Amino acid sequence: NAGVTQTPKFQVLKTGQSMTLQCAQDMNHNSMYWYRQDPGMGLRLIYYSASEGTTDKGEVPNGYNVSRLNKREFSLRLESAAPSQTSVYFCASSPTGYGYTFGSGTRLTVV
Amino acid sequence: TQLLEQSPQFLSIQEGENLTVYCNSSSVFSSLQWYRQEPGEGPVLLVTVVTGGEVKKLKRLTFQFGDARKDSSLHITAAQPGDTGLYLCAGLKTSYDKVIFGPGTSLSVIP
Repeated sequence: NAGVTQTPKFQVLKTGQSMTLQCAQDMNHNSMYWYRQDPGMGLRLIYYSASEGTTDKGEVPNGYNVSRLNKREFSLRLESAAPSQTSVYFCASSPTGYGYTFGSGTRLTVV
Repeated sequence: TQLLEQSPQFLSIQEGENLTVYCNSSSVFSSLQWYRQEPGEGPVLLVTVVTGGEVKKLKRLTFQFGDARKDSSLHITAAQPGDTGLYLCAGLKTSYDKVIFGPGTSLSVIP
């Protein structure tokens, strides 16, 4: 099915461990985004990539890094996970200036 | 500071009732989007409105963009249990900006 694919769907990490969340889209969209969603906080932008080869910080970038590997793929890395990073992470893509297509999310728990 | 406010925050109604949810801002947007998010899934784009005063209908859902392009409303007629979910509005200031999400209205339709 066309859309945004995120892996893994669930993950439990110990404090200090690292991991990479993967995201791929097959809609030839220029822009890709990583959000986290927490109760009462809404969707908060972590990093985004307006086009292949560019990345920029969003509202809450601390503790994360990203890589726009090619036009299709945009990964999010947690170098040293902390309990405050327990959240649901969503990847999204869009053609410039239009609505977003979201993946189904990664539910991350850091213990 | 939330640039987009949504009200009410929570809404629980009986099947068959009508309801309206609101999205308000002090900022002007070039377009405004509405998404629905079901439990365990990512948000799904319902509609984009771009012209002040514009009204769009999607079956039992009616979306309106305010004349000054600072606010929007979503009206659901004869709500059904399948309408249950989190309704998010999102504003775009220019075509090359990132979308700004509101905190959402959580709707529960009781059979």
